[in-house]
Amino acid sequence: ETGVTQSPTHLIKTRGQQVTLRCSSQSGHNTVSWYQQALGQGPQFIFQYYREEENGRGNFPPRFSGLQFPNYSSELNVNALELDDSALYLCASSLMAQSSYNEQFFGPGTRLTVL
Amino acid sequence: DQQVKQNSPSLSVQEGRISILNCDYTNSMFDYFLWYKKYPAEGPTFLISISSIKDKNEDGRFTVFLNKSAKHLSLHIVPSQPGDSAVYFCAASAKRSGSRLTFGEGTQLTVNP
Repeated sequence: ETGVTQSPTHLIKTRGQQVTLRCSSQSGHNTVSWYQQALGQGPQFIFQYYREEENGRGNFPPRFSGLQFPNYSSELNVNALELDDSALYLCASSLMAQSSYNEQFFGPGTRLTVL
Repeated sequence: DQQVKQNSPSLSVQEGRISILNCDYTNSMFDYFLWYKKYPAEGPTFLISISSIKDKNEDGRFTVFLNKSAKHLSLHIVPSQPGDSAVYFCAASAKRSGSRLTFGEGTQLTVNP
């Protein structure tokens, strides 16, 4: 069973640029959530994708956008990068179920540095 | 608005002793609580969870206690081992929120040999 993978591992961008981060979900999972973890903080929920549709969003501006593909992999896009976007971006996959909490499995993250 | 708080940034214990990590929450809609462990350069890994209908859940050396009236939960690790040294995150979820997790700031646990 393949776990959650993310690419790239590290990325350096400059202010104003755009970035795309990628996530492959765990085999059998149909839901992907993205989190931003700033230094010294806990992860913060950005949004979740289920069946290729956004299924909930945290307190992040529209320049944070995402996609989910038919194979359930996902992308996180950030436009007009700001210095405060420097963080570890975590992807978590899960199997959406109706009656119970859906345990989330995290990838290793992408470390984004904005200069 | 920090809905989940871990007030201790760090905790240091001796090998073999008990580690107690604490977490407080404010949102009454939370009905499921989890603890994750995170090593450097890795994503968080699930450790143990508890539903709001229970007050205790045990898994080997790890026990989570939930006090709903106080909106407080704690993670007990006994006996602590050096390999337990990591950052521990408390997280909470509300069923109708689609399993989105609200995390605390984390506690760095160091277990000294």
